[in-house]
Amino acid sequence: DQQVKQNSPSLSVQEGRISILNCDYTNSMFDYFLWYKKYPAEGPTFLISISSIKDKNEDGRFTVFLNKSAKHLSLHIVPSQPGDSAVYFCAARVRMDSNYQLIWGAGTKLIIKP
Amino acid sequence: DSGVTQTPKHLITATGQRVTLRCSPRSGDLSVYWYQQSLDQGLQFLIQYYNGEERAKGNILERFSAQQFPDLHSELNLSSLELGDSALYFCASSVALSGVVGDTQYFGPGTRLTVL
Repeated sequence: DQQVKQNSPSLSVQEGRISILNCDYTNSMFDYFLWYKKYPAEGPTFLISISSIKDKNEDGRFTVFLNKSAKHLSLHIVPSQPGDSAVYFCAARVRMDSNYQLIWGAGTKLIIKP
Repeated sequence: DSGVTQTPKHLITATGQRVTLRCSPRSGDLSVYWYQQSLDQGLQFLIQYYNGEERAKGNILERFSAQQFPDLHSELNLSSLELGDSALYFCASSVALSGVVGDTQYFGPGTRLTVL
């Protein structure tokens, strides 16, 4: 049962344009959502997060939008730069017993074309 | 450089064998997490240790086990290896338990395990 889904395995965007990466979830108990970025041969690195009580969080070129009623979040990158080419993972936090766990999507490979 | 180190970088072994993957967390981080990433799959959470104690278990097979030592480094032991165990294994560390909002998980570069 995939609780966090990234339905687009890859996305190609022209440099300078907006990149929009999508993530859907099924568990209404998730309380935080995170985006991580991964370059080849490296581990994922944290990019941006959003609490479930907010609908938008912005950090420079990166904005995450959360639509709780649709159980959908998206990451907007504006403007897209060549260095943004990477795999982007969406993750959601859920409390389990006395601890928290992150549930991860399968990732979307973003390719920025010059 | 995240400050999390993993050894070895690559490991090739045969079915039925046993291997040990090692992780050193960032200085000061008490939590260590292990993840498995198979081809075209997301990160599957395996297990978490906090200050030497197991705190959470995910989709970890009984053939797999882990521990965190007093110096906070961690080892993931994989035994009776099968072809399907071939994957990237990531270790991550964080200061505390929550994994978000000021307690970001920092990932190591991963160990690529190939089982032939």
